Amino acid sequence: DAGVIQSPRHEVTEMGQEVTLRCKPISGHNSLFWYRQTMMRGLELLIYFNNNVPIDDSGMPEDRFSAKMPNASFSTLKIQPSEPRDSAVYFCASSLGRGRAADTQYFGPGTRLTVL
Amino acid sequence: AQKVTQAQTEISVVEKEDVTLDCVYETRDTTYYLFWYKQPPSGELVFLIRRNSFDEQNEISGRYSWNFQKSTSSFNFTITASQVVDSAVYFCALVTQGGSEKLVFGKGMKLTVNP
Repeated sequence: DAGVIQSPRHEVTEMGQEVTLRCKPISGHNSLFWYRQTMMRGLELLIYFNNNVPIDDSGMPEDRFSAKMPNASFSTLKIQPSEPRDSAVYFCASSLGRGRAADTQYFGPGTRLTVL
Repeated sequence: AQKVTQAQTEISVVEKEDVTLDCVYETRDTTYYLFWYKQPPSGELVFLIRRNSFDEQNEISGRYSWNFQKSTSSFNFTITASQVVDSAVYFCALVTQGGSEKLVFGKGMKLTVNP
C-alpha cells in the first residue's frame, strides 16, 4: 500500500515568493495533519483536518500560512509570502481518524523548504 | 496541558550495547496514548509503537522493548544489542482523548551506534 505522499521533496525559493506544498494521504484515512520541524522548535502541529474539514488550526503561525483540503485525497499548505524563517521540514501525516485519539498517525517523507 | 520530556538529547554507544531512551509525560487526562517514532538520517518519521493508558504491560518486538509505568509517568524504550542501523533520532509522543488528535512530541533523542 502506498504511504503518505508529499511533493516536492525539496523546495528552494526566494523570500517573498509563494510556496505550495502538497500531500496525498493514505487511502481510506479520514484525518490529515501538517507538521513543521525545526531545530529550535522541534515537531509542531500546524493544522489538521478530519473528513476534509479543518478541526484545529491553532498552530498555524500567521496569516501567511493557509491550508486546504478540497477532497479526501489531496491537501495543500501554502505560504505567501515566504520568509527565511519559514525554512524547515514540513511533514504531512494521516490517520484513520475515526474520532478516536488512538489512531496512529503515519507520516510522509517530508518537504525540505529553504527560503533564501 | 500535555507535555513530553525526553531528557537525554544525544547518546552514543558501541554496537551490541543495550541502550534505554527515557520518556516522561504529563497529562491530567485519564485516557491517553503514547507513541514512539524513529527518524533515521534519511529524514522520514517511522511509527514504532502505540500504547494506551489502560495497558501497562510491557511490550517486546525483536530487539525493541517498551516499559510503561503510570506511577512514574514514563514510557521508556530499550534497544537490546544495538546495531548501526538503529542510529536515528527517536521521538516520544502523547495524545490525549480530550486533546482530539493533537500529537505532542518530545524534543527527540539522537542515538548514534558506532561499529
